[in-house]
Amino acid sequence: GQNIDQPTEMTATEGAIVQINCTYQTSGFNGLFWYQQHAGEAPTFLSYNVLDGLEEKGRFSSFPSRSKGYSYLLLKELQMKDSASYLCAVLDSNYQLIWGAGTKLIIKP
Amino acid sequence: IAGITQAPTSQILAAGRRMTLRCTQDMRHNAMYWYRQDLGLGLRLIHYSNTAGTTGKGEVPDGYSVSRANTDDFPLTLASAVPSQTSVYFCASSATSGSTDTQYFGPGTRLTVL
Repeated sequence: GQNIDQPTEMTATEGAIVQINCTYQTSGFNGLFWYQQHAGEAPTFLSYNVLDGLEEKGRFSSFPSRSKGYSYLLLKELQMKDSASYLCAVLDSNYQLIWGAGTKLIIKP
Repeated sequence: IAGITQAPTSQILAAGRRMTLRCTQDMRHNAMYWYRQDLGLGLRLIHYSNTAGTTGKGEVPDGYSVSRANTDDFPLTLASAVPSQTSVYFCASSATSGSTDTQYFGPGTRLTVL
């Protein structure tokens, strides 16, 4: 079966850096998405990667390793508004999105 | 720019009742999707539509039906609601299907079946 694993919950301090990991076992790989979802709201797109290597977008960076079935989302200079769930999703060989359960990130002052 | 709208925002429904969740997008996207989101589980695909006039079954289609009469609208119907259908339902769309196009989500409908 296809599976995506993310930590259920993480806690970090305002101004710090946090790394959210995502490991996956899917039938094929056509890229990996990260979405942010604030409580009670819709998921919103953060990033898409298909090639290995770090991609930076402001305070957020994503790093997929296709060969290792692993990716992480790096959030720098954490702000209180970054408190949200972060969803990892892999596009499989049929271009179907397989979703992880999400990581709830709690930011403390 | 509205993007994707969903209605109602929330609903409490008696078991056995019929319910249609509405979804409309104004981005002229070809592909549309219905997901349910339950605590501790990832988003699960219920039904999808690659283009107007076509629909397909996702991971958890039982108890749900959809139609795609035009590009903009993609309603989801629960023919006879059961308590296990209590969930948050998200409609999403992407420019095309079978591609790397980003999916964009509506605000969701919180449904409680008693």
